[in-house]
Amino acid sequence: GESVGLHLPTLSVQEGDNSIINCAYSNSASDYFIWYKQESGKGPQFIIDIRSNMDKRQGQRVTVLLNKTVKHLSLQIAATQPGDSAVYFCAEGGTSYGKLTFGQGTILTVHP
Amino acid sequence: EADIYQTPRYLVIGTGKKITLECSQTMGHDKMYWYQQDPGMELHLIHYSYGVNSTEKGDLSSESTVSRIRTEHFPLTLESARPSHTSQYLCASSEYGVRGSPLHFGNGTRLTVT
Repeated sequence: GESVGLHLPTLSVQEGDNSIINCAYSNSASDYFIWYKQESGKGPQFIIDIRSNMDKRQGQRVTVLLNKTVKHLSLQIAATQPGDSAVYFCAEGGTSYGKLTFGQGTILTVHP
Repeated sequence: EADIYQTPRYLVIGTGKKITLECSQTMGHDKMYWYQQDPGMELHLIHYSYGVNSTEKGDLSSESTVSRIRTEHFPLTLESARPSHTSQYLCASSEYGVRGSPLHFGNGTRLTVT
């Protein structure tokens, strides 16, 4: 069945370092991918999205890379800050209308 | 930016009680969703709506029901709460549907059934 999973459940970095969070998906028909950030006690917050006709998309301090050949998605955060500490989820918008499949989440901890 | 409001934020209730979780959005989005999330785990879609008078069940089977009488309001109801319903419930909306625009989430209702 469809699944979206993350390689690393936890990631610890120093303030100022770059962070890379990885995600694998299994549905080759997926054509829309999203990264969310979820802070404690809050709902997921949209970070960046990418469609399957793109390999890379950049936002403010964040870059998403999509490798359709190996069905892999990554989120790069430049100059990571303590405020970036949160759980990060990748999600797939597949072929079913209204359905967004979420992965398990990666806990990012940024040390000052 | 969508504004999604969920009430209550926290609810502790006894087994067998009927509860309604409220969700409202102020952006006029047609598409609305309910997700269930256990602590530290992924989100699972339990209900969604294309618009007024439209509701569909999601991937995760749920004993809850929803209604969509007004565009801005998408309440979720449990007729008889059980401990297995203990979880966090997240409401979301989107402008064009999940493949056209991202979902905007509320801050959730954390439900505990004793």
